[in-house]
Amino acid sequence: AQKVTQTQTSISVMEKTTVTMDCVYETQDSSYFLFWYKQTASGEIVFLIRQDSYKKENATVGHYSLNFQKPKSSIGLIITATQIEDSAVYFCAMRGMSNYNVLYFGSGTKLTVEP
Amino acid sequence: EAAVTQSPRNKVAVTGGKVTLSCNQTNNHNNMYWYRQDTGHGLRLIHYSYGAGSTEKGDIPDGYKASRPSQENFSLILELATPSQTSVYFCASGPSGTGNERLFFGHGTKLSVL
Repeated sequence: AQKVTQTQTSISVMEKTTVTMDCVYETQDSSYFLFWYKQTASGEIVFLIRQDSYKKENATVGHYSLNFQKPKSSIGLIITATQIEDSAVYFCAMRGMSNYNVLYFGSGTKLTVEP
Repeated sequence: EAAVTQSPRNKVAVTGGKVTLSCNQTNNHNNMYWYRQDTGHGLRLIHYSYGAGSTEKGDIPDGYKASRPSQENFSLILELATPSQTSVYFCASGPSGTGNERLFFGHGTKLSVL
């Protein structure tokens, strides 16, 4: 069974600082994919960034990057130089190769960026 | 950009009534999904489909049926709605492939069962 856990319910940071959101996962699959999605205040859910389990390099897209620690089954999302518009709920998700059509989500972390 | 459209955006239903939530995607994706979002639970998978005519059970299928009559359309059916099914429902679509594909989400349907 696949499981994704986000223990941080909410985080508040000051604008222009760096924030890290935690995520741990459980899987029996040797190959899997990890994703982060963002849900804006309007409810829209959009894909942010992906990490493939077989890649050692941490993925980076714009001011989003990942801290992939495979031995700890951990995939943290790092947002540098945060902006007010980064305020949202962030979901970690995983897809294992045993059922690669199904994406499992964590419970989400609400980020508030203060001016 | 992939387009996934859900209807209705808001729905109020009575306990015991039948509710149908509709989803349409215009990007020829094979896979479609229904999730529900509740505080503290994130997004939980109800049903999904690999293509027209197919439906599969997700993690929480009890009380729900799904229908995929065409590549573009995927419906979620609550035959006998209950207050516990009050939630926000999201439809998503994605291409079939090797597993690294992103999903495209609709804007959600807020369902209240009274």
